Amino acid sequence: GENVEQHPSTLSVQEGDSAVIKCTYSDSASNYFPWYKQELGKGPQLIIDIRSNVGEKKDQRIAVTLNKTAKHFSLHITETQPEDSAVYFCAANPKGSSNTGKLIFGQGTTLQVKP
Amino acid sequence: NAGVTQTPKFQVLKTGQSMTLQCAQDMNHNSMYWYRQDPGMGLRLIYYSASEGTTDKGEVPNGYNVSRLNKREFSLRLESAAPSQTSVYFCASSGVRDEKLFFGSGTQLSVL
Repeated sequence: GENVEQHPSTLSVQEGDSAVIKCTYSDSASNYFPWYKQELGKGPQLIIDIRSNVGEKKDQRIAVTLNKTAKHFSLHITETQPEDSAVYFCAANPKGSSNTGKLIFGQGTTLQVKP
Repeated sequence: NAGVTQTPKFQVLKTGQSMTLQCAQDMNHNSMYWYRQDPGMGLRLIYYSASEGTTDKGEVPNGYNVSRLNKREFSLRLESAAPSQTSVYFCASSGVRDEKLFFGSGTQLSVL
């Protein structure tokens, strides 16, 4: 079945710097790759997603890139701010789970943005 | 709109006790989910309900049962709690043929 590996597990950056979190997946049938942000004491919240027919997607300071051949995708946050500090999860939909929220999640990355 | 509401927020059980985690959504979503979150393991799907009256097992269903009471409510039951079920439990919902998940704020469960 699908397996999603996420790196690094922790990331500390200075305010204003960029942050990059990487994920790899194993199932070539996966076609949907979301990123969720979880603030302390809250549930995860979708921040951006990408489908397999697109190589890159941007939304203001965040972007996601997808390399289908290598089976990896990355989250890029530019001009980081203290409020970006949170745990970030990548995910992928396993075979047979298209159009559902049945996702396989990565292990999570704790991002700390130092003022 | 409250979105997805989970109760209780915290619970401590002794091994062998039973309890039910409650979840309700007010977004008129068809699909609902229960995930558990453990350190270093991300979130793992326990059970899924595509619509009222239907439920399916996820990655880690052992030791749990679910009930889709109506379109709004989806409960998770631990019949005989074990220390391995100590975790944070999240309920989520999504719209028709939509992968986007909306999560509740979670239930932190400790089994002693």
